[in-house]
Amino acid sequence: DVKVTQSSRYLVKRTGEKVFLECVQDMDHENMFWYRQDPGLGLRLIYFSYDVKMKEKGDIPEGYSVSREKKERFSLILESASTNQTSMYLCASSIQGYNSPLHFGNGTRLTVT
Amino acid sequence: RKEVEQDPGPFNVPEGATVAFNCTYSNSASQSFFWYRQDCRKEPKLLMSVYSSGNEDGRFTAQLNRASQYISLLIRDSKLSDSATYLCVVNRSGYALNFGKGTSLLVTP
Repeated sequence: DVKVTQSSRYLVKRTGEKVFLECVQDMDHENMFWYRQDPGLGLRLIYFSYDVKMKEKGDIPEGYSVSREKKERFSLILESASTNQTSMYLCASSIQGYNSPLHFGNGTRLTVT
Repeated sequence: RKEVEQDPGPFNVPEGATVAFNCTYSNSASQSFFWYRQDCRKEPKLLMSVYSSGNEDGRFTAQLNRASQYISLLIRDSKLSDSATYLCVVNRSGYALNFGKGTSLLVTP
């Protein structure tokens, strides 16, 4: 069974802090994704990666960056956290190819105060 | 037109009822279609993929209509445990996926 692990279930950070959200998958998946989910807005894609050291912007990349130094790990970085980045962050992975579903981690609920 | 649109509901149905959800998508080039289920405060989980020929998994049936650009999910003999939000998912360019905002289902005794 695919396992996608997010390092923290809950995080509380202060405005202006640099925040790292870590995600690790154990199924050798090529693709990894970061989404955020907010009430009324659904899941929105922040960044994704098809391979090590590759990254692509999603729909809302502003204020975020990502790092993928190893195939199994995909990190989301909030350079300077702001209150509007309070959200549920979901990491996912999939194999290459169409009709490949995403497998999600159990999410990190980030609160920025 | 939004990329993926769903009726948010909520759909309140009694146990044993049949309920259907529709979802429309805007990108005619989309090739991958899924239904996900999300329970409150949990991550989305794959319910089923949707194939051109339609597919069935127990009480769940999914259909794809490419001409009209919509997919559907039919749930027969609803159970209390089917209460959840159902997300319609369609691929965008490449392998990334667009999610609808979800349809809320509440099955009551």
